[in-house]
Amino acid sequence: QKEVEQNSGPLSVPEGAIASLNCTYSDRGSQSFFWYRQYSGKSPELIMSIYSNGDKEDGRFTAQLNKASQYVSLLIRDSQPSDSATYLCAVSPGGYNKLIFGAGTRLAVHP
Amino acid sequence: DGGITQSPKYLFRKEGQNVTLSCEQNLNHDAMYWYRQDPGQGLRLIYYSQIVNDFQKGDIAEGYSVSREKKESFPLTVTSAQKNPTAFYLCASSAGPGRDNTEAFFGQGTRLTVV
Repeated sequence: QKEVEQNSGPLSVPEGAIASLNCTYSDRGSQSFFWYRQYSGKSPELIMSIYSNGDKEDGRFTAQLNKASQYVSLLIRDSQPSDSATYLCAVSPGGYNKLIFGAGTRLAVHP
Repeated sequence: DGGITQSPKYLFRKEGQNVTLSCEQNLNHDAMYWYRQDPGQGLRLIYYSQIVNDFQKGDIAEGYSVSREKKESFPLTVTSAQKNPTAFYLCASSAGPGRDNTEAFFGQGTRLTVV
């Protein structure tokens, strides 16, 4: 079982719709969870961090964490073509102070 | 400007050569990381360091070496033992240990090609 799993996509949504990206992780002791956006050929850019169960909102982005289900998600409201990118989920396993990434989900927002 | 600087942006290596990728940060971060990304793939951890003069192997450390002699610098050497080194290499740093300090920020990456 991979430590961090994501559906590779592509996830295709129309402009203005809500995009929902999902991630599961294996280490039940994980404490820190992150979403990164990566445009083709570029380095990842941090867009959200979440540490506690529940929702965290920042502009059009909402991160959701459910530690009991070992599940973290990212919602993007009012999706724009500029949101088209690969979204990487990252988890810091408990006690290791390192960051493990999923393979990423490719999002395509079409006009 | 605070940030993470990787150099060079592009690097070509001949078969059997060792090459060193540079990573420097002026964010006063304790932790630094090296990742490798292959086309269409996620990031795989090569090495990480939480403090000066200490580092740990990640998932794919074979064929790579690192040093952490200064807080701001974490160079990665790709040795001739790494059989398939062509990839995009990313360096990152975070404030350090602790739940709220693991937000990592990335440099612009080095694209290494074996010729």
